[in-house]
Amino acid sequence: GEDVEQSLFLSVREGDSSVINCTYTDSSSTYLYWYKQEPGAGLQLLTYIFSNMDMKQDQRLTVLLNKKDKHLSLRIADTQTGDSAIYFCAENHDKIIFGKGTRLHILP
Amino acid sequence: DTGVSQNPRHKITKRGQNVTFRCDPISEHNRLYWYRQTLGQGPEFLTYFQNEAQLEKSRLLSDRFSAERPKGSFSTLEIQRTEQGDSAMYLCASSLGGQRGAWKTQYFGPGTRLLVL
Repeated sequence: GEDVEQSLFLSVREGDSSVINCTYTDSSSTYLYWYKQEPGAGLQLLTYIFSNMDMKQDQRLTVLLNKKDKHLSLRIADTQTGDSAIYFCAENHDKIIFGKGTRLHILP
Repeated sequence: DTGVSQNPRHKITKRGQNVTFRCDPISEHNRLYWYRQTLGQGPEFLTYFQNEAQLEKSRLLSDRFSAERPKGSFSTLEIQRTEQGDSAMYLCASSLGGQRGAWKTQYFGPGTRLLVL
């Protein structure tokens, strides 16, 4: 079956690193994604990782993929107030299967 | 701005009325997707097209819902006899299909928020 699970909330102090975790069920997924959604806005593709990669880094973002455990994480370094949003983990089966989203709250 | 546009951005209607939403994808993208997002949930797949052909429909897409993409460019999603449970954000996305690589990446429009009273 297709299912993506992620924790619903995360609070982080400004300047610290944020780590958002996700588990997925379908090992045939070829691409895994992180999308960001700010209040009242559409979905912004943050980054993606191909299933034959373990890690991908893009400026402040680091994605780690553990295929054995079907675990994906997104690390945001030096978290800023502008990072406050809902982050969706997603896997691609032609259609995209999304998790319920992790709401990231930044503490001053 | 991803290049995918949706109209209208907001729609308020009374139960029982019909509504139609439009999506204009990124021009070179041949795949177009519709998703629905309710409060506190991630988007859920409804249907997708490759060019004019509707290739897959979710069981969420009851027979009150119909989607078209007549010329393989823009798409419309119609909901007939709306119910309060149809209140949601309707999201459109587009991608380049049929090839390998990051083409599978879907780019989302801003959505149409529907409120059924």
